[in-house]
Formats: sequence, C-alpha cells, structure tokens
Amino acid sequence: QAVVTQEPSLTVSPGGTVTLTCGSSTGAVTSGHYPFWFQQKPGQAPRTLIYDTSNKHSWTPARFSGSLLGGKAALTLSGAQPADEADYYCLLSYSGAWVFGGGTKLTVL
Amino acid sequence: QVHLVESGGGVVQPGRSLRLSCAASGLTFSKTGMHWVRQAPGKGLEWVADMSYDGSDKNYADSVKGRFTISRDNSKNTLYLQLTSLRTEDTAVYFCAKDGFEIWGQGTMVTVSS
Repeated sequence: QAVVTQEPSLTVSPGGTVTLTCGSSTGAVTSGHYPFWFQQKPGQAPRTLIYDTSNKHSWTPARFSGSLLGGKAALTLSGAQPADEADYYCLLSYSGAWVFGGGTKLTVL
Repeated sequence: QVHLVESGGGVVQPGRSLRLSCAASGLTFSKTGMHWVRQAPGKGLEWVADMSYDGSDKNYADSVKGRFTISRDNSKNTLYLQLTSLRTEDTAVYFCAKDGFEIWGQGTMVTVSS
C-alpha cells in the first residue's frame, strides 16, 4: 500500500502564510488522487476543508486553498489565525483504496 | 440535517470479535457510499474500508483485509463493520463517514486488551 507523507509539524505566525504538502510514495500526486484536506482539533471528528485538490465546502474559510505544487498536493493558509492551530491530514485515492498522510501539527505562534 | 452515529465499541480481548454500527439519518442512505476510518490514541487517521451505495463494491486497507468486513442494511439506514481476530493495534476510535467525507460521526472507541 502506498505511503503518503506530510510534514510532522509546522509553525506559522499570526497573519502569516504557510503551505502544507502531501506527497506519495508512488510518484507525483495528481488530480487523479482526488486529494482531500482535513482539519482536526483535539477531541473532535475531522472536518473536510478541501476536496478534489482545490474545491472548498461552504464552511471552509476563504484563507485556506488547495493546489498541486511540485508533484505534491498542497494546502495553503494565508492570514493564519489562532483558531487554525490544529492537526491537518491529507487523503489520497489509489484505485479504490484511500490512504491518509501522517498529519501535520500546525502551531500558530 | 445529516447525522451519523456510531455504536458498538467497547473493551475486547485479543482474538475476539466485535461489530460496529453506524446509524444514518437526514440523507438518502441507499444512494450513498460510506467509509470507516479509525484513529489510534494520539495517532493519525487511518482509512479502514468503504462500501458503495448498494454494497456491490467494497475496499479495505491492507492492515485489516481478511479480518474486518464492511456491510450495510439500507432498509435500516445502517452501516456495519465486523471486526474479527482483533489485535492490540486495532485499538482506536472508529469513525464512519459519508462518501465525499463531508459528514462524519463522532466515533466509537474500541479497546483491545487482555
């Protein structure tokens, strides 16, 4: 089964910009992996921020955006707020199976 | 409003079995694919299995293939996950999620311990 890699931890200053990435052991991440991005805060279920690479739900704050960047899926947060401190997970599709990345712990400090 | 409510978790000995349920409301369950995802204490998310709306297609993570079975009863708006040959590493919160992952339940805890 494929391995999906994310930065274990990142720190961003309030109001700053940070990009989280999501790589695949099988090669470049493409739109065919239907990348998802989730935010999870302690004690809560995950919440979907981005689906199919760059699509947002109605509840997704405008400061979050998804893209493909350098062979990886990317989640960019522009204008970080303290409420954005959380764990972030990407999810990729592999011909019927899905694999989560290990998660990125984002600190806003 | 769409709700997913998991149940059936508990403490079980290694090698034993357990069946989890996910009751759905507020959606046309019979037209919706569903997923199970788990999260070990202090660890990341792990996709476990999914099933198509009519049960004709199922997929499993390698870590559970041959031990876990996903099923559904569309007449009861309920998704199931049968866990057999349980191992200590199966200890986790088990979430069900609607296809597309925009709706999640709150999870049910499974603890495998002697």
